[in-house]
This record gives sequence, C-alpha cells and structure tokens, in this order.
Amino acid sequence: KNEVEQSPQNLTAQEGEFITINCSYSVGISALHWLQQHPGGGIVSLFMLSSGKKKHGRLIATINIQEKHSSLHITASHPRDSAVYICALHSGGSNYKLTFGKGTLLTVNP
Amino acid sequence: NAGVMQNPRHLVRRRGQEARLRCSPVKGHSHVYWYRQLPEEGLKFMVYLQKENIIDESGMPKERFSAEFPKEGPSILRIQQVVRGDSAAYFCASSLTTLSRTNTGELFFGEGSRLTVL
Repeated sequence: KNEVEQSPQNLTAQEGEFITINCSYSVGISALHWLQQHPGGGIVSLFMLSSGKKKHGRLIATINIQEKHSSLHITASHPRDSAVYICALHSGGSNYKLTFGKGTLLTVNP
Repeated sequence: NAGVMQNPRHLVRRRGQEARLRCSPVKGHSHVYWYRQLPEEGLKFMVYLQKENIIDESGMPKERFSAEFPKEGPSILRIQQVVRGDSAAYFCASSLTTLSRTNTGELFFGEGSRLTVL
C-alpha cells in the first residue's frame, strides 16, 4: 500500500465549479505540502501545513492529522487552474525525504 | 530575487553519453534536494546536499549517478553512461534551513531538467 494516496486521479470541471482534491496517508507526518505542476512545467509549492486550514486567494487547504487526510479546494475554478496537483508528506523517518503522491490531473474547461 | 534555476531545461543524450544537470538554489539557500520524476510516476527523492557535503544520497542509484554542491557554483547532478531508463524530469529544490521534523521550512522548486536518452 502506498504511503500517500490521492483522489481522484483525473478531474474535469467546468469553469466556475468548486473543486476538491483529496490526499490520504498512512504514516505519521510533521507537515504536508500541496504542489502544483503545469504540463511540462516546473513545480510550485502552494501550501505547507501541519494543522488546520490555510487560504490563499481561491485556494484553500485543510488537514486533519487524526484522520490522516488533507484536502485542496479551488473555488470559482478557471482554465488556468488546469494542472497536476501533488500532495507530498514530510514523514517522521527522514524528514527531508518528501514522499509524493502520484498527483491529480485537473482540467478546467471554459 | 531569482528562484531556483535549473539548466539545461531539456537535454538529449545518446546511450552511453554523460548528462550533467545544474541547479542554482535561491540566493542564500544552502540546502539542495534533487528529485526524479519518471514518466507516469510520482516524484522520488534522490539526494540531499549542503554546501560541499552530501547529507543523504539514499535515493540515488549506486552506479553512474553522482551529485555535488561545491562551495562556489551550482549543484551538479551527473549521470554517466546514460541508459534509456534514465529519461525523466529531474527537479531541484532548495531551502534556507534544513527540513527537519521540527522545522519544515519552505521549499522552492526549479523548473526541472528533462533528460531524453535516445
């Protein structure tokens, strides 16, 4: 079983829809990153969180440490949000070895 | 204030040749991490370096791969005698402080270097 699982793997939405991407993990963590990767592009760190909720513009990330679950929400989605969203864990053993999910490919149609 | 700079962005090599990928971290950052993203797979940790030191290379293949982060200049990931299976995107990230259990500092990624082995 993978230490980190993301769902869904692929998500297609219409512009303006509310998007939720989920990340579940099976190990103890000290923090969790949400990353954005555009096709053929680099990686941008959107959030790093260890508890509660963070908001930046139309993006909201939440984490529930007890349930080992995090969600990334996008409100009023836009075609430019189309990208792969990756959840990455700082887990207890080797703290700098991020463990990455396989990513969720989001496509927002106009 | 430049972010993490990687070059080349794209590199094509024939089997048996050498590939050198360079990473200049964010100015002032002394912690560098290399990750590999194989086609259709997630990112995987390769190596963690500080200036002039390899801290953890447990994710790097034992043969043909090496990494350095000299006192002056960029970090280099070197792949000797490349094979088709080395074709991947190689990402570098840097941080100001070490990413420890008690200090998960912010991590900055580069645009990646995409290696294609013919």
